[in-house]
Amino acid sequence: SAVISQKPSRDICQRGTSLTIQCQVDSQVTMMFWYRQQPGQSLTLIATANQGSEATYESGFVIDKFPISRPNLTFSTLTVSNMSPEDSSIYLCSVVDRTRGNTIYFGEGSWLTVV
Amino acid sequence: KQEVTQIPAALSVPEGENLVLNCSFTDSAIYNLQWFRQDPGKGLTSLLLIQSSQREQTSGRLNASLDKSSGRSTLYIAASQPGDSATYLCAVTGAGSYQLTFGKGTKLSVIP
Repeated sequence: SAVISQKPSRDICQRGTSLTIQCQVDSQVTMMFWYRQQPGQSLTLIATANQGSEATYESGFVIDKFPISRPNLTFSTLTVSNMSPEDSSIYLCSVVDRTRGNTIYFGEGSWLTVV
Repeated sequence: KQEVTQIPAALSVPEGENLVLNCSFTDSAIYNLQWFRQDPGKGLTSLLLIQSSQREQTSGRLNASLDKSSGRSTLYIAASQPGDSATYLCAVTGAGSYQLTFGKGTKLSVIP
């Protein structure tokens, strides 16, 4: 299965600052996804990040708030900009492994607390 | 719009008991159904993937079934252990999409 590493695993951030989360995969993947999990809630898709094209954002998420980079087939970043306490969540990167029946794998998540 | 429901929201069982977690979805036109496990403050671990053409998948003490026409899936855990304590999430993808729609999960506690 694909091994996905996320950094940071956890951080406490000041209101109004921005933080960039990194996602590294041990194999080349076409599609990467960023999800958010707010406290006590299930996961919500933020955007799909494809290499060589602009990320596709879901309703309620905008590029100015969550800019995404996808410079190659093994790496992506998600920035959470101008953070507020409502952004306190676990942010998760995921990929589709087409060699395993399109199984979707997740990283360990980045737990952000905004104070 | 696809909606995924998981029942019960929480479950507490004594060690050694067999148990069933339920998942239902409103749109039967799914591509895959996947069960995940999430430990507190952690990411998701994939447990089982059932493709829409399949009826069930097994891995060790876990067995997942899929009845696509009725919009239901079950996750059966045999001989539960305290290490099974976690939140179990069910998620589906639609045809032509890799976007997962998640249920809210079942929080399982296995009491030694």
